Amino acid sequence: NAGVTQTPKFQVLKTGQSMTLQCAQDMNHNSMYWYRQDPGMGLRLIYYSASEGTTDKGEVPNGYNVSRLNKREFSLRLESAAPSQTSVYFCASSEATGVEEQFFGPGTRLTVL
Amino acid sequence: GENVEQHPSTLSVQEGDSAVIKCTYSDSASNYFPWYKQELGKRPQLIIDIRSNVGEKKDQRIAVTLNKTAKHFSLHITETQPEDSAVYFCAASIHFNKFYFGSGTKLNVKP
Repeated sequence: NAGVTQTPKFQVLKTGQSMTLQCAQDMNHNSMYWYRQDPGMGLRLIYYSASEGTTDKGEVPNGYNVSRLNKREFSLRLESAAPSQTSVYFCASSEATGVEEQFFGPGTRLTVL
Repeated sequence: GENVEQHPSTLSVQEGDSAVIKCTYSDSASNYFPWYKQELGKRPQLIIDIRSNVGEKKDQRIAVTLNKTAKHFSLHITETQPEDSAVYFCAASIHFNKFYFGSGTKLNVKP
């Protein structure tokens, strides 16, 4: 089992460019999440998907969109990247109820110039 | 929304000593409190968790305590080893699927 995978690992964008971060899990989990991690600020929830076909905003959703393509895949899109979106992005998944372990992907380091 | 505060931001201990990291939360509806360890350049990984109906949980050298009245929970690491050096995050789950993380504690265990 690969667990949670993310692509790409690194990305550099110019202000205004768009891109999609991909995430996939092979653990048959119902719930998936996108976080951003900034120095000294821990992990902040951007969006989550409680189950296939549903998505909801987290703490910091502005400037992002998500798609739960199927049960395995959950993508994060930046339509017009800004320097403030420079961060490390983690995808995670869990069984379903929110009171069990989240498994994280390896992260994507994004720099917006 | 929920607000999770974590202290200290950095902690340096001698190998063999104990380390304690504390977190407070604001919403009494929070019912699940995991702790994650993140080594440099790697993904966060769960090390221990506790549910709101339990006051204490222990797993070998690691323990977590929860005080629902005071709305705080703590991570205790005994007999620290150099491989315990990492950043530790607490989190609180206020309802299904929404997790709020603390800002992290960088633990340095000196040999």
